[in-house]
Amino acid sequence: QSVLTQPPSASGTPGQRVTISCSGSSSNIGSNTVNWYQQLPGTAPKLLIYRNNQRPSGVPDRFSGSKSGTSASLAISGLQSEDEADYYCAAWDDSLNGYVFGTGTKVTVL
Amino acid sequence: QVQLQESGPGLVKPSQTLSLTCSVSGGSISGGSYYWSWIRQPAGKGLEWIGRIYTSGSTSYKPSLKSRVTISLDTSKNQFSLRLSSVTAADTAVYYCARGMFGGSAEYYYYMDVWGKGTTVTVSS
Repeated sequence: QSVLTQPPSASGTPGQRVTISCSGSSSNIGSNTVNWYQQLPGTAPKLLIYRNNQRPSGVPDRFSGSKSGTSASLAISGLQSEDEADYYCAAWDDSLNGYVFGTGTKVTVL
Repeated sequence: QVQLQESGPGLVKPSQTLSLTCSVSGGSISGGSYYWSWIRQPAGKGLEWIGRIYTSGSTSYKPSLKSRVTISLDTSKNQFSLRLSSVTAADTAVYYCARGMFGGSAEYYYYMDVWGKGTTVTVSS
């Protein structure tokens, strides 16, 4: 059972904006930074957003992250077919003294 | 560019110990301030952090796995390893190794920026 809650699915048509939420608590998102990982089918996860809103080199600026209180969001603007993947939020949890992942959201491009 | 590669038996019998190795290339495992981590993912399910080891050798483990997990470094081989004892079918998963970045004072940050491709481990008799 994950301590970070995400919607199981999200979808949009090409070009649309999709937002994924990640709900946590004061011991994780409320205290530490949030990261997002993208997992394309059959592949290893890839770091998409780190430290709430930073993009690693090579990640398109269509992807953006934000955090407020004990929640965080990932936005994908200008949705493309290659964005179809599973997305996971994650953060360090001070109470568990461990890293926790969100439940994951499957994004479908209609 | 740092690359990671998992290796180890693909099949482990129940009650035995799962042992995996992560080989690091393109950089020294003891150079720089990184955490070296293990993550797993059962088929069709989400990601689960198992634990991490710092370049100094200090470790952190997921509480529910702590009694069965050992992560160690072998700097001479530029590798780090995972041992998970008393395995059951619930430990069947794809196991990933990853490099972790960390820091921050007011707001701690920790994230995994380089991942291996993963290795499938099945626990079955």
